[in-house]
This record gives sequence, structure tokens and C-alpha cells, in this order.
Amino acid sequence: DAKTTQPTSMDCAEGRAANLPCNHSTISGNEYVYWYRQIHSQGPQYIIHGLKNNETNEMASLIITEDRKSSTLILPHATLRDTAVYYCIVRVRGTSYGKLTFGQGTILTVHP
Amino acid sequence: DVKVTQSSRYLVKRTGEKVFLECVQDMDHENMFWYRQDPGLGLRLIYFSYDVKMKEKGDIPEGYSVSREKKERFSLILESASTNQTSMYLCASTERGFLMNTEAFFGQGTRLTVV
Repeated sequence: DAKTTQPTSMDCAEGRAANLPCNHSTISGNEYVYWYRQIHSQGPQYIIHGLKNNETNEMASLIITEDRKSSTLILPHATLRDTAVYYCIVRVRGTSYGKLTFGQGTILTVHP
Repeated sequence: DVKVTQSSRYLVKRTGEKVFLECVQDMDHENMFWYRQDPGLGLRLIYFSYDVKMKEKGDIPEGYSVSREKKERFSLILESASTNQTSMYLCASTERGFLMNTEAFFGQGTRLTVV
């Protein structure tokens, strides 16, 4: 299984970009990188995913390094509502049935 | 528009009781998952199911079993609840995708306390 490593916590000022890193040095060629977030007392919510190209949607941007061993989730203009735990995961190889394994995530605190 | 529904938001049970946690999804998804979430440990996969009557153990299956009799419903069973099973339980579902690039939808969670 490709495992991920994230910082335990990060702070960001409101209105600034939040850059959340993730290391996945053992990622395999056909494994996708996914990002989810979990706001307090709610279930995790999908944010974005990618394989090797950079991706952008209405919530965030995902930058994946050329060797695919790490990635960065970017929230371009963080708001107080973005305070949450952010999970970087890699879809496990070996089954087509999509086992999802989460790590401990990064606690992002956005402050005024 | 609710997609994944867990039967209870909060539950208190006694040690030794048999506990059923129910999860229903309305998206016709093939895959369903049960996780528990504890402070400092993130989400840990208990069991998952990729089809009706099919199940596979996750990372921490001990003390739990599951049932998938219908596609939309995935039940987590604590045969004899213990205090160390006090936790937040989360259910999720995904489509079955060969390229594994489908997003997961989560329920709101069930906070179970075993006393």
C-alpha cells in the first residue's frame, strides 16, 4: 500500500493561500492522489484528486510533483470555514474495488 | 440531498450488548465502507464490501462483523460491545471504478459510547 505522510497541524491567515503538503514516496504508477477534508462533527468531504497532472476545481488546486512522490493541496483564499482536518490518501493498488485507507491528516486552522 | 444516511447520530450501549449500526446509501454504489475515528488516530478502516453479500476485512476488524444483504444497506455489528469500542463510526460509499478515480461519500457519523 502506498502510504502518505502529512504534517500534524498548520495555521493560515484568513484570505491567504493555504498550502498543505503530502508525501507519498511509494506511490505506484496507476494510483491516484485524493484529498478529503473533515469539518468538525461531520463526515469527510471530497475535495479533489489527480494522477500526475495538476488539477483545479472550484474548491482547490492540486499540484503533483513530476516524480509523483509528493503533492500539495492549495486553498487559494482560505476562509474561517476552511478550518478542518485535511486527508491526503492514495487509492490502494491490488483491488479494483477501491479500498480507501486514511491516515491521520493535517489539522488546518484558519485564523482572522 | 442526503446520500449516505447512518441510522443514529448518538448511541449509548452497555458492555456486552450486541450493537447494530446501520448505513443506507441512495446512489446505487457498489462499494461501502465502515471506519472508526479516534483522536490522534485518524480514520481506520474496519470492513468494506464491494457487492451484496461480499465483505473484506479492513485494518481493524477484530470485534466487529458486517452484513450486506441489500446493495443499499451495510450494517456494522458489535457482537459484544466493549468500552474500547467507544468511538465515532463513519460509513462511506463509492462507485466501483476500474480506474479507482471515484469520490467517496460519507455519512454524518454515529458517536457510540459503551458504558
